[in-house]
Amino acid sequence: DAKTTQPPSMDCAEGRAANLPCNHSTISGNEYVYWYRQIHSQGPQYIIHGLKNNETNEMASLIITEDRKSSTLILPHATLRDTAVYYCIVSSGSSNTGKLIFGQGTTLQVKP
Amino acid sequence: KAGVTQTPRYLIKTRGQQVTLSCSPISGHRSVSWYQQTPGQGLQFLFEYFSETQRNKGNFPGRFSGRQFSNSRSEMNVSTLELGDSALYLCASSSFTGHEQYFGPGTRLTVT
Repeated sequence: DAKTTQPPSMDCAEGRAANLPCNHSTISGNEYVYWYRQIHSQGPQYIIHGLKNNETNEMASLIITEDRKSSTLILPHATLRDTAVYYCIVSSGSSNTGKLIFGQGTTLQVKP
Repeated sequence: KAGVTQTPRYLIKTRGQQVTLSCSPISGHRSVSWYQQTPGQGLQFLFEYFSETQRNKGNFPGRFSGRQFSNSRSEMNVSTLELGDSALYLCASSSFTGHEQYFGPGTRLTVT
């Protein structure tokens, strides 16, 4: 599985959009980009995933560059409850859906 | 529907003992994965079971083992406990076709 690089920490003002970058320059053609977050002391929570196209759901949007070497997770209107560690993971899905290799993630602090 | 449940939630054991942790996946999910989370190493993949067979395995010593039953419930066992095994052990389940993993609240194991 390709490795990912994320900034260790970011701040965001409450109500503003939070844009979390992820670099995955060695991603291969069959690998998906997944985003999870972990709020303190809880199990990680799935946010969104994508292969090539941009994706949006009720929680967030995922923007993947055309060359697929990087992506950005967008939380459109961050709230204090979005304070968490955000993990960007690359995996081939299918039989590897159950095997997530977590990096250090980005600690997002949403401030009032 | 009910989420992933893990028992017990907290456990204290002594070095050299063995421990068994239990995970009940979301109804209908056939894949169960186990992760270890420590402050030093972060979230690390242990193993995944699918339809009672180990499908993926992480880089952990043989003291860590698991199994899955016909009803998809899973157990993991750690033998000859070491102080370094103190961690939050997380279980996650996913469906056959789904990309997302759903995590339980974890079992906090303390080895003294």
